[in-house]
Amino acid sequence: DVKVTQSSRYLVKRTGEKVFLECVQDMDHENMFWYRQDPGLGLRLIYFSYDVKMKEKGDIPEGYSVSREKKERFSLILESASTNQTSMYLCASSSPPGPTNEKLFFGSGTQLSVL
Amino acid sequence: GEDVEQSLFLSVREGDSSVINCTYTDSSSTYLYWYKQEPGAGLQLLTYIFSNMDMKQDQRLTVLLNKKDKHLSLRIADTQTGDSAIYFCAETPLGGGSYIPTFGRGTSLIVHP
Repeated sequence: DVKVTQSSRYLVKRTGEKVFLECVQDMDHENMFWYRQDPGLGLRLIYFSYDVKMKEKGDIPEGYSVSREKKERFSLILESASTNQTSMYLCASSSPPGPTNEKLFFGSGTQLSVL
Repeated sequence: GEDVEQSLFLSVREGDSSVINCTYTDSSSTYLYWYKQEPGAGLQLLTYIFSNMDMKQDQRLTVLLNKKDKHLSLRIADTQTGDSAIYFCAETPLGGGSYIPTFGRGTSLIVHP
């Protein structure tokens, strides 16, 4: 069964801390994504990566960075956490565009609270 | 850019049919998806349809696509309490090098016993 694993289910951090959210997929997918989910706002794309060491900004990259040193791992970094970054963070992966559909496989999410 | 709209809430009685609606703006050929998110979990793909199709049925699920109105619907027959979740509509336009799906804000389906 395909799997996208996020390292933490719940995380509580203090304002100003550096926070790492880790995501690993076992499907050999090229594309990986980080979204945040907030009530009433749906999913908003923070960053995505279509290859190792490649990254692209999504719709709301401010305050975040990412790292993709290995194909299976995509990390989201909050350089200095702020209370407005309290949210559910979802990682996803997909295979490259082709004749099949580009469906996403999601992790279970990390609920981050910044105090 | 692309935009995907859906209503935020739907409440139905157990055993009734649920219809969740979605509109999108991209006019190019596209894949359209329905994802389900159960409480405390990530999103899971329920079903999808390509824009050259009008309908797709999979057990209790029926997807209808009206290309002229850019309207997509998901019908769940004999809705059960286990169907209570948030349902996201998403589209991925083909061509132009973009494969990033655009999601709606999600419809919370509440099923009453």
